[in-house]
Amino acid sequence: GAGVSQSPRYKVAKRGQDVALRCDPISGHVSLFWYQQALGQGPEFLTYFQNEAQLDKSGLPSDRFFAERPEGSVSTLKIQRTQQEDSAVYLCASSSLRGNTEAFFGQGTRLTVV
Amino acid sequence: RKEVEQDPGPFNVPEGATVAFNCTYSNSASQSFFWYRQDCRKEPKLLMSVYSSGNEDGRFTAQLNRASQYISLLIRDSKLSDSATYLCVVTSGNQGGKLIFGQGTELSVKP
Repeated sequence: GAGVSQSPRYKVAKRGQDVALRCDPISGHVSLFWYQQALGQGPEFLTYFQNEAQLDKSGLPSDRFFAERPEGSVSTLKIQRTQQEDSAVYLCASSSLRGNTEAFFGQGTRLTVV
Repeated sequence: RKEVEQDPGPFNVPEGATVAFNCTYSNSASQSFFWYRQDCRKEPKLLMSVYSSGNEDGRFTAQLNRASQYISLLIRDSKLSDSATYLCVVTSGNQGGKLIFGQGTELSVKP
């Protein structure tokens, strides 16, 4: 497809369950970002990849959060032992350069932990 | 203190009004500046980049003041379709180019 694709669009998880969120960036985009957006807030940075290298993971809130991009294209954000405070929209974005050009966002995955 | 700060609003204005949003950022090493627009339950989309010399795109004008670390967005002749949340975004060259978002300012344009 032409844009950033995320799946699933919606995920309901029971507390303690592990979840995996997928992001397909725009083909050829070097940079990939993950953000967490709570209701009424701006997106909060989680982690950043340049190709397959995870250059910054300073925003990951705990060691329950893990992201990978093994072949420099598709990325997965994994959350282990989900908690209610993990409920949010998880946004993925990609750009062709190191953030100096437009970043294109996917529609996000809305995670609800019950 | 958040790295990018915006007044969350909401700003409620009538059609045709002029409205201005402000944003301040704390990292003097910030290099690139943007305004993104986010509609309800949608993803953010780039509205415009912000340059030191200021730039205009139709009814939208963006200004950057590096000395004061201040960014503004002016919308003239507001339309109903301008109703959205406007996100101020900065990047820092020494942070790998990650985008840092403000909280967003909600705009509601009424008939």
